[in-house]
Amino acid sequence: GAGVSQSPSNKVTEKGKDVELRCDPISGHTALYWYRQSLGQGLEFLIYFQGNSAPDKSGLPSDRFSAERTGGSVSTLTIQRTQQEDSAVYLCASSPTRPVNTEAFFGQGTRLTVV
Amino acid sequence: AQKVTQAQTEISVVEKEDVTLDCVYETRDTTYYLFWYKQPPSGELVFLIRRNSFDEQNEISGRYSWNFQKSTSSFNFTITASQVVDSAVYFCALITLGNEKLTFGTGTRLTIIP
Repeated sequence: GAGVSQSPSNKVTEKGKDVELRCDPISGHTALYWYRQSLGQGLEFLIYFQGNSAPDKSGLPSDRFSAERTGGSVSTLTIQRTQQEDSAVYLCASSPTRPVNTEAFFGQGTRLTVV
Repeated sequence: AQKVTQAQTEISVVEKEDVTLDCVYETRDTTYYLFWYKQPPSGELVFLIRRNSFDEQNEISGRYSWNFQKSTSSFNFTITASQVVDSAVYFCALITLGNEKLTFGTGTRLTIIP
């Protein structure tokens, strides 16, 4: 499809396990964001990529969280040793240029449940 | 630091009524952009509008209109003649030239009662 694609759409994992969340941005988009949306909360910024570089990773909540982007395209958000408080919807967004120049396009998110 | 405040957590109106969603922002940058996004039950955020800090002209798009006032740091969103399909969570967001991450408000859940 032409939009931002995230997989899986739902993930249930046991506390302490590692998970990987994938984001396929719109082709040609250089900027990519990860956000977290907890139940009833707003969107919490996690990390921003421009190409394969992450000029802003200030939102990653702990060293259990990491993200990478390869080939200026697909990004993976990894959460190690998951905790129950990690349960949330993880949203990915991309934009064609620098984020100030245009709007961001969002995927439908990955709903992560840690049990 | 930048901040977006959406004081209205939930709003319910009867179909065909007009409704205004409030958004107040804070930033020290003089160049910034404001956004509204709609999040229907499906979960995907849908872009509605982007407005730069140098353009205070109000905008109308069909039943939607936006009122940007720098004097009060507000960017309010009005839906005229609301419809059930307008039911969603609406987010206001801010991005500045000096800090290229979208800062979102906590959202307003709008319910249109048929």
